[in-house]
Formats: sequence, structure tokens, C-alpha cells
Amino acid sequence: QVQLQESGPGLVKPSQTLSLTCTVSGGSISSGNYYWTWIRQNPGKGLEWIGYIYYSGTTYYNPSLKSRLTISVDTSKDQFSLKLSSVTAADTAVYYCAMYGDYALSNWGQGTLVTVSS
Amino acid sequence: EIVLTQSPGTLSLSPGERATLSCRASQSVSNNYLAWYQQKPGQAPRLLIYGASSRATGIPDRFSGSGSGTDFTLTISRLEPEDFAVYYCQQYGSSPLTFGPGTKVDIK
Repeated sequence: QVQLQESGPGLVKPSQTLSLTCTVSGGSISSGNYYWTWIRQNPGKGLEWIGYIYYSGTTYYNPSLKSRLTISVDTSKDQFSLKLSSVTAADTAVYYCAMYGDYALSNWGQGTLVTVSS
Repeated sequence: EIVLTQSPGTLSLSPGERATLSCRASQSVSNNYLAWYQQKPGQAPRLLIYGASSRATGIPDRFSGSGSGTDFTLTISRLEPEDFAVYYCQQYGSSPLTFGPGTKVDIK
């Protein structure tokens, strides 16, 4: 059973860059069967797809975030990462990493709350 | 972008009752790539249904999905106490992936 775990700072100052890493265990990020995905959920609200990356490095971003977003992958560590620049309070959310394939978003991390505040 | 609308916003039912949740898409969902997720407070969403009607691994058969094109339904045949949660539909037929706003199933 593939497991995912998010890590990174829980507090980021406005205008700075939010950085998170997702570590995959129980499987290889290079298996080629999945797109490695970031999703967020504003407190008390719905879910928003941020973007995903294939093990080769090909990325797909939500157009609403594309100008501020970078997703990268490190296959040697079975990790993928998110960087979101110029953050504001609107970027405060629980950030999830997930595995996306033929069976939709089949595995999720537990999520990590990131608060944007000075 | 495909916009998903879910109804009702809240469904108040008793254990043992049948729950019927609706998800409507603003345009046809390619290949019926429509999924349903359950989310409980403080937890990540859990995949229930993919491809509109296929149950994910380990999901009880009281959960079923149906529909095609723009109209989809999640049915819980008999509500168990652990089924009271928020349910989201999500389309993955076209980019960007989008989610519905959710239906909360609470105890009457």
C-alpha cells in the first residue's frame, strides 16, 4: 500500500514562498503509473487541485496558480515538492499530496496546515 | 474548466436510511471520469468511487455510483453511523481537475 506524507513549515509570511515536500513510501515514484499531485483545502471550504507532476518531470498546473507555482520531483528520494511564491492569506489551507492515476486520486497524505501570517 | 454542482448542500437522515447525492457537471465529463470521495473532520478525503460507478478497493457495497455525461449520483443504500460525513464529486476527464462543493450527510 503506497503511503504519502507531507512535510514543511506550518507558518509562512505574506509575500514569501510556501515550500512543501511529499515523501512516497511503499512504492516507487518512478513506477510510471501515476501523476503525483498537490491539492489544497481552505479552512472549512472545498477542495482545489493545484497541479501534478509525472516522474519524468512533466508538469500540469492549475491555470489560476500557474504564475506562482513550481512542482518538482526527486526520484532518487521518492519525493516531490511544491513551491508557491508571493503568498497571501488566501493561500492559507490544508495542503494534501496524492497519487492520481486510472483510479482517480486513490491515495492521499494526511495533509498539512499552512498558515500565511506575519 | 468543468464546474461541478452538488445537491443537496446538506442531507439530514437517520441510520439505516438511503442517501442519494447528486453531482451535475457544466459540460460532459470525458470518459465518465467522475469520482466520489468521503471526508470526515480532520481527515483527508477517501476515494469511494471512480469511473462514475466502480468501487475503490475496500469500499463496502452499500456505496454505489451511477450516471454519465453531465449527471451523476452517489447512493448509500443503508446509512451506517460511520457514513455521516461530507461527500465530494470530482472530475478527472479534463484539465484542470475540479471538485464539487460537497454534500454534508448529517444525522437527523
